[in-house]
Amino acid sequence: DTGVSQDPRHKITKRGQNVTFRCDPISEHNRLYWYRQTLGQGPEFLTYFQNEAQLEKSRLLSDRFSAERPKGSFSTLEIQRTEQGDSAMYLCASSSRQGPNEKLFFGSGTQLSVL
Amino acid sequence: GNSVTQMEGPVTLSEEAFLTINCTYTATGYPSLFWYVQYPGEGLQLLLKATKADDKGSNKGFEATYRKETTSFHLEKGSVQVSDSAVYFCALSDRGSTLGRLYFGRGTQLTVWP
Repeated sequence: DTGVSQDPRHKITKRGQNVTFRCDPISEHNRLYWYRQTLGQGPEFLTYFQNEAQLEKSRLLSDRFSAERPKGSFSTLEIQRTEQGDSAMYLCASSSRQGPNEKLFFGSGTQLSVL
Repeated sequence: GNSVTQMEGPVTLSEEAFLTINCTYTATGYPSLFWYVQYPGEGLQLLLKATKADDKGSNKGFEATYRKETTSFHLEKGSVQVSDSAVYFCALSDRGSTLGRLYFGRGTQLTVWP
């Protein structure tokens, strides 16, 4: 169990560029979540997958955002035409259980800075 | 809708002091309640949880009781240590959704001095 891994740890980009982040969940965890955390705020839910199916998306996930989990293992989050307001920490979490005993394991996040 | 309001920080305490971090919530149903902790440079970790009214969650000397009548889930510890310095997040999960869809408060930075 190596934990949830996110890559890169930091990303600096210019406004208008596209960026892609990767999340590797704990192996055999079938649920994967993406959250966004801006400075001074708590994490906000973006979307989640059960295996390869994207089951829920927040209204925060605008058309410029897309997430995939093609084989039910790792996931990618892409932001197109980045804006300064996209600057945030993007967190990934995974879990294996359902119901009241579900426990999320979070990665350390990808810090995005849009200049 | 669902939301969490927690005590603003930062909170600064001396070692062995008593800690309370207040958390109140608004929810459409009967949520599960959580406290997460984020140590410097690390990911969020579940500290404790409670899934129904009057339940008490506890871990590492921290406690919180699910109070439906006051819609609160305050975090307490009787004697803090320097190693407890971290950011603490209160969160809820709506029973009508996946338990992993969490609504977080803004976080409270705790610094404990020796």
